[in-house]
Amino acid sequence: GNSVTQMEGPVTLSEEAFLTINCTYTATGYPSLFWYVQYPGEGLQLLLKATKADDKGSNKGFEATYRKETTSFHLEKGSVQVSDSAVYFCALQETSGSRLTFGEGTQLTVNP
Amino acid sequence: GAVVSQHPSWVICKSGTSVKIECRSLDFQATTMFWYRQFPKQSLMLMATSNEGSKATYEQGVEKDKFLINHASLTLSTLTVTSAHPEDSSFYICSARDVGVTSGGPLETQYFGPGTRLLVL
Repeated sequence: GNSVTQMEGPVTLSEEAFLTINCTYTATGYPSLFWYVQYPGEGLQLLLKATKADDKGSNKGFEATYRKETTSFHLEKGSVQVSDSAVYFCALQETSGSRLTFGEGTQLTVNP
Repeated sequence: GAVVSQHPSWVICKSGTSVKIECRSLDFQATTMFWYRQFPKQSLMLMATSNEGSKATYEQGVEKDKFLINHASLTLSTLTVTSAHPEDSSFYICSARDVGVTSGGPLETQYFGPGTRLLVL
């Protein structure tokens, strides 16, 4: 079946540091890939997505590239801010309209 | 983007009572909504898929009679936790599927509600 594996957290960085959160997936077909962010006490917000190989999703300074050869969708940001502190979830969707499969989530804390 | 609301955001109840949680899509129609459960510091676990006008599809291990789902309109799905017990305490999140029309064809996006925190005493 489908699965998503994220790097273990928590991740603690200083403001303006470079961020990478690794995400790899297993799927039978060619899924769409997503990154969601969850701020404390809130639901999930879509951060970015990519629907096919080599696509790059980007939003709010975050980027992730769909790498089919390595089955990865690593999240990066060049300079994190305190306001980026949240839990980040990688997810895949095998076909349009189907269920989302989430990774375990990675807690990011950015200190001033 | 589209907005999904949940009500209530917090609920505390006594063991044995039933609790209803509403999920609404505010500016789009959703034939499909999803209900998730999230334990502290864990990922989301899909409980069921709610389809407007038909029975919900439950994931393996989720009790249908315990978690009643009704999707009576294109903008509202409800989850009722019947005879709640302390082990049902959790964060419940819904999402609604929006299918938009673009020049490149249909574009599907899932929008998540803010979640409902349930505490059963």
